[in-house]
Amino acid sequence: EVQLVESGGALVQPGGSLRLSCAASGFTFTHYWINWVRQAPGKGLEWVAKINEAGSEADYVDSVRGRFTISRDNAKNSLSLQMNSLRAEDTAVYYCARAATVSTYYFDYWGQGTLVTVSS
Amino acid sequence: EIVMTQSPATLSVSPGERATLSCRASQRLNFNLAWYQQKPGQAPRLLIYGASTRATGVPARFTGSGSGTEFTLTISSLQSEDFAVYYCQQYNIWPPLTFGGGTKVEIK
Repeated sequence: EVQLVESGGALVQPGGSLRLSCAASGFTFTHYWINWVRQAPGKGLEWVAKINEAGSEADYVDSVRGRFTISRDNAKNSLSLQMNSLRAEDTAVYYCARAATVSTYYFDYWGQGTLVTVSS
Repeated sequence: EIVMTQSPATLSVSPGERATLSCRASQRLNFNLAWYQQKPGQAPRLLIYGASTRATGVPARFTGSGSGTEFTLTISSLQSEDFAVYYCQQYNIWPPLTFGGGTKVEIK
């Protein structure tokens, strides 16, 4: 069974930092691009970042580029999102999501999410 | 960036009735569109990809159609478990991958 389990969400002050993690199991982790997708309270879904199978290629939505860094540890089947210079508008549930393939880039499995709250 | 627009924002439907949800893209997508269902407090669940292919385990009452810039998700006979928010997502031109704003299907 494919599982993605996020952790690390917390209350953090504006300007602070936080690191999210996603533990993957039930599939060959090195065969898939993995993503972070977020959802602000009561709002819709927003793709945040993606990383390729080897961890050599990453990309971000403009609003987080330069502040967030996605990485993966294929030996541990894990994904991370380092979030710096956090803003109130980064408050959201952050989901780890697997992309089906690089050419058919929809999300076939999602984690349960972890809540990040940026507030003083 | 491709902008995805869903309508209506809220759809009130009685159990057993048909629901028709629309998704419009600002550029042509070919068939590179997915639909997701999200229930309160849960992660999104993939329903449809390639505009019309049901994901594993999705009931046949869910039908995706359309191409180009206009897409539709039809739920033929609403069951109690279908009341949820539905999102479309394009994957034709990215980054960024973009979602529609969602349609909430509520009980009439």
